[in-house]
Amino acid sequence: QKEVEQNSGPLSVPEGAIASLNCTYSDRGSQSFFWYRQYSGKSPELIMSIYSNGDKEDGRFTAQLNKASQYVSLLIRDSQPSDSATYLCAGGGTSGTYKYIFGTGTRLKVLA
Amino acid sequence: DGGITQSPKYLFRKEGQNVTLSCEQNLNHDAMYWYRQDPGQGLRLIYYSQIVNDFQKGDIAEGYSVSREKKESFPLTVTSAQKNPTAFYLCASSWTADREKLFFGSGTQLSVL
Repeated sequence: QKEVEQNSGPLSVPEGAIASLNCTYSDRGSQSFFWYRQYSGKSPELIMSIYSNGDKEDGRFTAQLNKASQYVSLLIRDSQPSDSATYLCAGGGTSGTYKYIFGTGTRLKVLA
Repeated sequence: DGGITQSPKYLFRKEGQNVTLSCEQNLNHDAMYWYRQDPGQGLRLIYYSQIVNDFQKGDIAEGYSVSREKKESFPLTVTSAQKNPTAFYLCASSWTADREKLFFGSGTQLSVL
């Protein structure tokens, strides 16, 4: 069974701090990884994608991928109350398939 | 504006009734997906389709059916065989390449009366 695992949280951080969200995956064939943000009752929206080992930065967000350790993380710098949401990690389908595997999500609370 | 439209936003199902959730996209994407989300859980794949007139079962297809007669449309029917249908249903689409992100609709909340 291919899985993506996340700590469900909630992860509470003070405003202005760095929030660190982590995800592990079991399918070594996964080619791509995505972080989606989902507000309560809303649909997920993509905030970061990463395909290669290392770091990828976009504004206040940094995604990190370590394929040897099968580990993906998302760092949110200068956290704001508006960042409070559930963050879903997803592994892209193994090459040739279209099945994205989602984790259960980590709920982030940024305290003002 | 390009996007994915799901309707209705809220739907109620009576015992023994089949209901159909609509999903339309104008992004010219080839692949479309249906996911189910239960409270505190991740997204579970129900069905997906890579091309018109073809679709594959996902991880939890029992009690559901789909059709893909047009590229832009991928309706989901929740049949009476689905005994626990209360959930948030999300439709998504993507380009065919498996490295591409998913675009999601706004979702349909289905509840049982």
